[in-house]
Parts: sequence; C-alpha cells; structure tokens
Amino acid sequence: DQQVKQNSPSLSVQEGRISILNCDYTNSMFDYFLWYKKYPAEGPTFLISISSIKDKNEDGRFTVFLNKSAKHLSLHIVPSQPGDSAVYFCAASDAGKSTFGDGTTLTVKP
Amino acid sequence: DTAVSQTPKYLVTQMGNDKSIKCEQNLGHDTMYWYKQDSKKFLKIMFSYNNKELIINETVPNRFSPKSPDKAHLNLHINSLELGDSAVYFCASSQEAERIGYTFGSGTRLTVV
Repeated sequence: DQQVKQNSPSLSVQEGRISILNCDYTNSMFDYFLWYKKYPAEGPTFLISISSIKDKNEDGRFTVFLNKSAKHLSLHIVPSQPGDSAVYFCAASDAGKSTFGDGTTLTVKP
Repeated sequence: DTAVSQTPKYLVTQMGNDKSIKCEQNLGHDTMYWYKQDSKKFLKIMFSYNNKELIINETVPNRFSPKSPDKAHLNLHINSLELGDSAVYFCASSQEAERIGYTFGSGTRLTVV
C-alpha cells in the first residue's frame, strides 16, 4: 500500500532550465506535503513544504504546487543548477507522521 | 556542530548478533524518529518518540527496541539480526514537523552477513 508515489525514478535537465518533479498520493487525510533533497551518504534535507489548504508555496528557486483534486504535487526548480543534482523525496504528513515517496534522482547537466 | 548525529556510520555484523545504533540531537526538538531505507530506497517510519514517550510504533518486529533515556537521545537496539535487516537506518528529529520538516542524521548503513 504505497500512499505516496514518485513515478519518475530519474530526471535529467540542462543547467538554467526548469526541473519539474512530480508526486502523487492517495490518502486524503494528509495535511502537509514536504520535499526533501538527499545527497549520497547524507540524510535527507528539508527543502519546502505546503499546507493542504494552499495550492502554491514559493521559496527562492523552489516552488511547490498542490492539486488536491488530483492528489498531485510538484516541485519546480528554476533555474536549475548543477548543485541541485541529488535525490528528491516528496513526503506527506498526517498528524506529524511523514510518509515518503521512493525518490527521483535529478541530474542537472552543465 | 552536527545537529543530529548517529553512530556508527557503518555496521557490518553476522546473523544472530545483537547491535545498537545511537542517535543524539542538539536542536532541543521534542520529537525523534527512526526511519529505515531499504534496497528499494523507500524511507519507512519505524518509531517516533515525543519527550521520551513512544507515540508511533509501526509494524516492526519485536527484535527492534527503541530506547529514549531523555528527549535528546533515541537509540535503536536490534536483537537476533537477520539478513533482511540490512538497510540504512536514519534518525531524525523535529519540532514543527509539518511546516519545517525533519532534521535527519546522516544514516547508519547496517549490513548483516
């Protein structure tokens, strides 16, 4: 029972272009959605979150969009930089407990 | 000045052994967690403690026992290790988990041979 899914295992984009990472969920009880970034041999690092009552949250180059009717969220990174190359996890929270997707590996080519 | 530190970083041990992983956070957070990342890269919650009290206990074998001596520490003890326990174990802490997420440690790679 995979409640949070990231259907694209990998994504490759050119430096300066937009990266769009997608995530789908099934549980309507989730009240917050989060994105984390993970480099090899390190723990995930929190990037940005969005409440279920909002449809957009922006922080610098990172914007998260939430479509509740479609149970879908996306992370936009613009412009993409080589240092953004990492594994990105989306997570959905219910009463403080986060359920994670299985990650998308983003490669940003110089 | 590591915020969430786990030790050891790597652990190789034989089946049937008992081992512990230690976790400490210096952020003053009230809640701590253990997550397991398996070979398919899923991060699955195992346990959560709030101020030394167990609040989340997912379907985890009884061989896994968390211990929180104080709110800055959450250790994980594993008895009778099995091959399937091989994974990366992440400790995390949070204060406002929904809004600002968890702070993770760098992980402990456990290999059972």
